[in-house]
Amino acid sequence: DSGVTQTPKHLITATGQRVTLRCSPRSGDLSVYWYQQSLDQGLQFLIQYYNGEERAKGNILERFSAQQFPDLHSELNLSSLELGDSALYFCASSPGQGVREQYFGPGTRLTVT
Amino acid sequence: AQTVTQSQPEMSVQEAETVTLSCTYDTSESDYYLFWYKQPPSRQMILVIRQEAYKQQNATENRFSVNFQKAAKSFSLKISDSQLGDAAMYFCAYRSDEDTGRRALTFGSGTRLQVQP
Repeated sequence: DSGVTQTPKHLITATGQRVTLRCSPRSGDLSVYWYQQSLDQGLQFLIQYYNGEERAKGNILERFSAQQFPDLHSELNLSSLELGDSALYFCASSPGQGVREQYFGPGTRLTVT
Repeated sequence: AQTVTQSQPEMSVQEAETVTLSCTYDTSESDYYLFWYKQPPSRQMILVIRQEAYKQQNATENRFSVNFQKAAKSFSLKISDSQLGDAAMYFCAYRSDEDTGRRALTFGSGTRLQVQP
């Protein structure tokens, strides 16, 4: 158990819908990263937050957004969903203070039908 | 941009034998970290081992060790005394240490390791 929690574990929704994925980092970790794992794109970085502020963006679509709250949990919002958004979405956390490792949550499996 | 290449989509090893998974990367940076992550059928991403680019000594964690060749930009993972529980997808990953805006991991495409009893 990495100490990172993600909810829900599975999500099935229809095209055009909007969903929110939630992540709670390890206690004390200030950085949260979101990654997408799909069959055709592999593991890709989406976005990073550090202590409530957006720090870096990767291959994140405009239909996707995220935020990190004062208690450091983070949410990834996916809207106008398409079939191609079906993937495993991981959240990872890191202390951000000299520690380079990232610890991954169990992921949320999103299926868009 | 950094790229990570894993040229072996699948590997197979007999239980108790040794196997080496290959990884190469491309970067113009001097300061960075390299990692191997394991993803078993449960899909959980588990950190196996890390290597700091400034260290010449290869990292070791129990049965797992790396061969880090900085000049060749090569970072292979050796698994000794393979066990059935080692069967998983293994990902090589790169992390910049030079730019606070580029701390995310860049992953290779993965190598699926099968362990034969």
